[in-house]
Amino acid sequence: QKEVEQDPGPLSVPEGAIVSLNCTYSNSAFQYFMWYRQYSRKGPELLMYTYSSGNKEDGRFTAQVDKSSKYISLFIRDSQPSDSATYLCAMSIGYGNNRLAFGKGNQVVVIP
Amino acid sequence: EPEVTQTPSHQVTQMGQEVILRCVPISNHLYFYWYRQILGQKVEFLVSFYNNEISEKSEIFDDQFSVERPDGSNFTLKIRSTKLEDSAMYFCASRDRLNEKLFFGSGTQLSVL
Repeated sequence: QKEVEQDPGPLSVPEGAIVSLNCTYSNSAFQYFMWYRQYSRKGPELLMYTYSSGNKEDGRFTAQVDKSSKYISLFIRDSQPSDSATYLCAMSIGYGNNRLAFGKGNQVVVIP
Repeated sequence: EPEVTQTPSHQVTQMGQEVILRCVPISNHLYFYWYRQILGQKVEFLVSFYNNEISEKSEIFDDQFSVERPDGSNFTLKIRSTKLEDSAMYFCASRDRLNEKLFFGSGTQLSVL
């Protein structure tokens, strides 16, 4: 299933570094884009939600969407050890359509 | 913050047995979902449920699967005759009418032997 591709490689960064994660997708019908954070033995938790191309900021987190390139990114500034988790991109075709298509996830480790 | 509760956290069963996974969604939520994640794979949509009926289901959700909201608080996923390939983490999720945000439970790890 190649709808959403997320390079699943683990990522280790020192505390304070910028974390950069990205996903590509093939289905141009996707209009809503999300990033979820998943801690060990927990369910995914919504971090960012956007439906337009461009940037959206929320504190240390920035979500970026480029619909023309079918590419989305998540940036975490001033990373903290508490940011250590798996980050999943997800997308859906319409508002209220919660049939989400997920990427495989990136495990991020922030080293103190 | 209110949360979605799933029980049990782990379920071990023999191939061919029936299992019921249980979820208590957040109390004022109206839309309910099951997703699953096979080890090392993506989280996959199974089914969505609204107003006491299935609103959408994936190709995975075949006749072996069923969902039910038996009372005002529980939401269950039943697998009639489990197969080895049903081994996965099953997540329940819910949302309210106005908010796009899905709340996920912590999952039930199903192991079919």
